[in-house]
Amino acid sequence: QVQLQESGPGLIKTSATLSLTCTVSGGSISSYFWNWIRQPAGKGLEWIGRFHTSGSTNYNPSLKSRVTMSVDTSKNQFSLKLTSVTAADTAVYYCARDGTYSSSFAYWGQGTLVTVSS
Amino acid sequence: QSVLTQPPSASGTPGQRVTISCSGSSSNIGSNTVHWYQHLPGTAPKVLIYSNNVRPSGVPDRFSGSKSGTSASLAISGLQSEDEADYYCASWDDSLNGHWVFGGGTKLTVL
Repeated sequence: QVQLQESGPGLIKTSATLSLTCTVSGGSISSYFWNWIRQPAGKGLEWIGRFHTSGSTNYNPSLKSRVTMSVDTSKNQFSLKLTSVTAADTAVYYCARDGTYSSSFAYWGQGTLVTVSS
Repeated sequence: QSVLTQPPSASGTPGQRVTISCSGSSSNIGSNTVHWYQHLPGTAPKVLIYSNNVRPSGVPDRFSGSKSGTSASLAISGLQSEDEADYYCASWDDSLNGHWVFGGGTKLTVL
C-alpha cells in the first residue's frame, strides 16, 4: 500500500522560503503525478501544483511565481519550495498522488501544519 | 473565491437523502471529469467518487455522483452520523496551462 509522509519545519518566518518533503513508501516515485495541496485554517482545499517524474509540471496560477517542485528518486522523495511566505501561507500542507486508474488524488499524506510568523 | 461553487453547508436527518452541488464552467467541469472528496477533521481527505460517478473500493453505495454540462452533484442516501464531514468537488481546468481547481467545500451536518 502506497503511503506518503510530509516533513519539514512547523514554524517559519515571514519572507522566508517554506521547504517541505514528501517521502513515499510502498511504491516507486517513478511515474504518476505528485501533488501538493494545502488547507488554511477554516478554509477549503487549495491545490498548489504537481509534477511528473517525466518532467511535466503544472502549478496553481496564483502561486506559480513562488513555487518550485523537485524530486529525489534515489530517496523516493519529492519536495516543495514556496518563497517569500506571508501569514496567508499558514496552512496544513498535504502531499498527494493520483490514482492508478484515475486522475483523482487517491493517496494522501497525513498533512503537516506550517505556521508563518514574524 | 473558489473556481468551483458549492453550497457552504448542507444538513439532513439520519436516513434522509442529501445532495451537494458543484458548479463550474466549460474549462473545467464542462471538459473534464469531477472527483469528490470527504474530509474529516484531523485526517487526510479521502476520495469518495472519481471520474464523475465511480466509487473506489470500500466506499458504500450510499454515495453516488453525477455530472451534467458544467455542473456535478454528490448524493448521499441513507444518511448516517458518520457522514458528517466536509465535502469537496474537484476538476481539472484547461485554462492557464492547466491546473486543478476545488470547490469551496460543503459542511454536511447530520441533525
